[in-house]
Amino acid sequence: GQQLNQSPQSMFIQEGEDVSMNCTSSSIFNTWLWYKQEPGEGPVLLIALYKAGELTSNGRLTAQFGITRKDSFLNISASIPSDVGIYFCAGQTYNTDKLIFGTGTRLQVFP
Amino acid sequence: EAGVAQSPRYKIIEKRQSVAFWCNPISGHATLYWYQQILGQGPKLLIQFQNNGVVDDSQLPKDRFSAERLKGVDSTLKIQPAKLEDSAVYLCASSLVGKFYGYTFGSGTRLTVV
Repeated sequence: GQQLNQSPQSMFIQEGEDVSMNCTSSSIFNTWLWYKQEPGEGPVLLIALYKAGELTSNGRLTAQFGITRKDSFLNISASIPSDVGIYFCAGQTYNTDKLIFGTGTRLQVFP
Repeated sequence: EAGVAQSPRYKIIEKRQSVAFWCNPISGHATLYWYQQILGQGPKLLIQFQNNGVVDDSQLPKDRFSAERLKGVDSTLKIQPAKLEDSAVYLCASSLVGKFYGYTFGSGTRLTVV
C-alpha cells in the first residue's frame, strides 16, 4: 500500500536543541496530521492541518501544510527528554476517511 | 472520556493457528478502523467500518483475515490461519463521522507468530 516518505529516518539530538522533520507524497492530500507514538502505545494526535499553507502550533510544536499539498513539516523547539518517540505524518483526502501514514521519524533526546 | 480499548495486549501463537482481537471504540464514534503496524513501519489500514457496515476492506487479506462489528459498537478482527508475516501490532482506532478530526487509537495488540 501507499506510504508517505518521511525524513530523516532517525535523529539523535541533545536536550534543548530544535528538531525539524518533513513528509512528502506523490499525491495531493486535503488534511495533514502529525502523530507521536511511544513504545507499547498507539499513535497520539499532535497537530491537524486543514488548508494549504496553514501554519499551526501546539506548545513547542509547529507544523505547516505545504503549498503544493504534497508535503508537510513538523518542528519541535527546545527539545526535552519526553519528546522521545516516533513521529508519523499522515495524509487524508476528501473522498475517504482513510489515513495514509508516513514511514516515521524516530527521535532520541539525550540530556 | 474513556479511550479506545483493545485486548489482549500481547499474543504469541504458532503459525497456522487462529487468533482474535477485540476493540471497543470511544462511545459515540460511528467509524472504526483496524490498522496493521509492522515493526519499523507506519500503520496501514486493513478495514474501516461505519456503524456496522464495511466502508473499505480493500487492503484486508480476505483469505485469512476477517472482521466484524456487530451492533455498530465493538469489533473483532480474526486471523485464520496465521502466517509468520502477520507478526505486527494491530491497532484499532475510532472517530466521529466526518473526515477532518483525525483518529483516536487504542494501545494495540502485539501479535508474534512463531
